[in-house]
Amino acid sequence: EADIYQTPRYLVIGTGKKITLECSQTMGHDKMYWYQQDPGMELHLIHYSYGVNSTEKGDLSSESTVSRIRTEHFPLTLESARPSHTSQYLCASSTGGAGAFFGQGTRLTVV
Amino acid sequence: KNEVEQSPQNLTAQEGEFITINCSYSVGISALHWLQQHPGGGIVSLFMLSSGKKKHGRLIATINIQEKHSSLHITASHPRDSAVYICAVRWASGSRLTFGEGTQLTVNP
Repeated sequence: EADIYQTPRYLVIGTGKKITLECSQTMGHDKMYWYQQDPGMELHLIHYSYGVNSTEKGDLSSESTVSRIRTEHFPLTLESARPSHTSQYLCASSTGGAGAFFGQGTRLTVV
Repeated sequence: KNEVEQSPQNLTAQEGEFITINCSYSVGISALHWLQQHPGGGIVSLFMLSSGKKKHGRLIATINIQEKHSSLHITASHPRDSAVYICAVRWASGSRLTFGEGTQLTVNP
């Protein structure tokens, strides 16, 4: 059973609000990732981290930011949410050769 | 251009049928994942392969490194197998994952 958790599962917020999506894993994985997925579409990497204090932007341009102060925690923040941010956000973690584990996802709706 | 190609994009089967989903990729990889995503959005990692074949219950995954191709097979399919199946590769040159577009599988009773 994978131990990676995302909260909240569902979120509806108003335009302009600041939000933070939480992701935590208890497996001690160094590598963590945030993906964005629109319904029926591919997963797109928006941020990744190879360890504490290491974060990089992914393939898809995103107005979000991330931090990695602790190994187990990789929160994603939107400073000012817009309707175009409506999507599903998936967090994953991995370590070399051990496979990738995904959280259940956060479905965000900005109204 | 997506360097990971899955086929078919959509697949409808009758309960009990044998199902095959294919994944091809362009260059060398260090690992290939098969993932399952149910309508609720949660993703489950089914297999991670770097060579050969793995089996878990009714699911079988194979990979041919020379041909840069992997297949996911489901034997005796069941309606609860209905989901999107995603192939993802970790390139030999790095640790990031690249995903295929997914295969929407519907198994009818």
